[in-house]
Amino acid sequence: QSVLTQPPSVSAAPGQKVTISCSGSSSNIGNNYVSWYQQLPGTAPKLLIYDNNKRPSGIPDRFSGSKSGTSATLGITGLQTGDEADYYCGTWDSSLSAGFFGTGTKVTVL
Amino acid sequence: QVHLVESGGGVVQPGRSLRLSCAASGFTFSSYVMHWVRQAPGKGLEWVAVIWFDGSEKYYADSVKGRFTISRDNSKNTLYLQMNSLRAEDTAVFYCARGRPYDLGYWGQGTLVTVSS
Repeated sequence: QSVLTQPPSVSAAPGQKVTISCSGSSSNIGNNYVSWYQQLPGTAPKLLIYDNNKRPSGIPDRFSGSKSGTSATLGITGLQTGDEADYYCGTWDSSLSAGFFGTGTKVTVL
Repeated sequence: QVHLVESGGGVVQPGRSLRLSCAASGFTFSSYVMHWVRQAPGKGLEWVAVIWFDGSEKYYADSVKGRFTISRDNSKNTLYLQMNSLRAEDTAVFYCARGRPYDLGYWGQGTLVTVSS
């Protein structure tokens, strides 16, 4: 059972924007950095965002992250068919001394 | 470049044991925290365990605590996951990943563990 909640799915037309929320608590998101991962079908996850809002080299600036209190958000602008994937937030829970991933969100490009 | 290769997966009966390995290359292995993450068929990601640079600290998900043991051999650039008392619900693809310490920047391709009689 994850301590991080995400919407099961979001969708939008090509070129549009989607946002994915990740809701937690003070012991996880509230006091630790959040990262975001993209998992294309049949592949290993890939880091998209770390330290709440930083992008690793090679990740386009269409992907952005933010955090406020006990929630975090991933934004994807200029949606492309290649963005169809599952997206997960992740963080550490200081009270449980364990890592957690969000429940995952499937992005569909209409 | 960073390369992580898991091995050791397979089919195992409930209650038996299995040891996974993750061979690392392309970076200074002893300088990084390492994680195991799993994904049951058709399900989301589940964090399993983490081990500190020198093995001094280890933390586990409640679902595996007391049954799984994470370890590393920095001289061999290899991460391990010893899995005992395996259950059907442990069936999953297991990934090793490099941590920094808690964002996982590099992942292996995964190894499938199937627990079935």
